Formats: sequence, structure tokens, C-alpha cells
Amino acid sequence: GAVVSQHPSRVICKSGTSVKIECRSLDFQATTMFWYRQFPKQSLMLMATSNEGSKATYEQGVEKDKFLINHASLTLSTLTVTSAHPEDSSFYICSAVDREAVSNQPQHFGDGTRLSIL
Amino acid sequence: GNSVTQMEGPVTLSEEAFLTINCTYTATGYPSLFWYVQYPGEGLQLLLKATKADDKGSNKGFEATYRKETTSFHLEKGSVQVSDSAVYFCALSDRVTGRRALTFGSGTRLQVQP
Repeated sequence: GAVVSQHPSRVICKSGTSVKIECRSLDFQATTMFWYRQFPKQSLMLMATSNEGSKATYEQGVEKDKFLINHASLTLSTLTVTSAHPEDSSFYICSAVDREAVSNQPQHFGDGTRLSIL
Repeated sequence: GNSVTQMEGPVTLSEEAFLTINCTYTATGYPSLFWYVQYPGEGLQLLLKATKADDKGSNKGFEATYRKETTSFHLEKGSVQVSDSAVYFCALSDRVTGRRALTFGSGTRLQVQP
């Protein structure tokens, strides 16, 4: 079945560091990918919609200069957390939509990246 | 806007007990409905889905029926196993606007004891 690879799975770094997270669709092309954030014991909150070849669409309250999204190809989207601080520590999950899928087909999720900022 | 409400957990059951996790939704039109499962330290896996009223999604012994009249999509399993311990998320996608992003419920943690 469809597979979405997310890398790295875990990052621990110092405050002020920028961190890049990659989301790849391995056996399908994805014109649209989504980035979610999950706080401990809470649900997933949509951060932004990543569209291949165009600017990402950010949800209200998400700082686009803080969370840079690039979707340069049909199989790769990246999320860069710039100048990360402890409050950015969270579990980040991407998902991808197969460009060939009809509208009611499910998204495919990556395994998530646990980001810990010291 | 769209919203999904799930029963709060954790739900603690003994092995072979019957499971129900309630899920109700608010949405424009007729959304597609999903149940996802998240095992510790992992991402989300699709468990089952339903795309129209009265559809029943099923997988691995889990079932959920799309009830338009009660705007519900309750998850059930007749006999749970320890390996079913995980967090379960109910979600919907908005077919009216074509917005493919999912709206998730808060998640329900299931703990199955041997």
C-alpha cells in the first residue's frame, strides 16, 4: 500500500536551532500534503496545507515565518521550524494525498517527528 | 465550522470485552468519516472509513456505521485484545468545500488489560 516516509523520527536540539523535517510519498505522487501538530495527549491540529509548486496555506494562528514549508516536488514536502524554542517541542505529523485518488480517499500519514527543544 | 466530538478516555477494558467509542460530528453537507489508530510513538494508521450515510466501515474486527440522523460514527469491537491498546481518533473530511484536510476528534485512549 501507499507509504509516507517522515524523517527524522526524533530530534533533540538546543534552543535557537532551525530544524528541517521531511515528508516523502514513496510510491505515489502527492500534489497536496498536510502538516499537523500534536501536543501530548491531545488531538492533531492542522498547521498548514502544502501545495506542490505554490505557497503553503497556513491555518489561523500558525506563524508562516516560524514554520517554513516547501513542496518542491510531487513526492517531497519539508517543514522547517526556524529558531526553535522549547514551546515548539511537539509531535509533528505529515500526511499526503495521492494525486490520483478520488475525493473521498483517505490521506496517508507519516510516522511523525518528535521534536524536543532544550 | 466542522467539529468532531469523542468520548473522553482512557477507556480501560479487560481482554475479550466489548468496546464502544462514541463519536459525533458537526459538518456541512455529507462529510467522509474515518477512524484512525495511533500506537505509542507512532503516526496514524487508517482503521476504517465510510463515505455516505448507512455505510459501514470495518477492519480487524472493528466496525463503525455512518449515521446521518444522529450525526454519529461510533466505533465498536466485539472482543478486544491487549494489542488493541492505542489511541483512537475519529475524523472527518469536508466534501462540500473539497478541503481535504482532516478535522480530528480529541482522541480516546484504550487500555486493554489481560
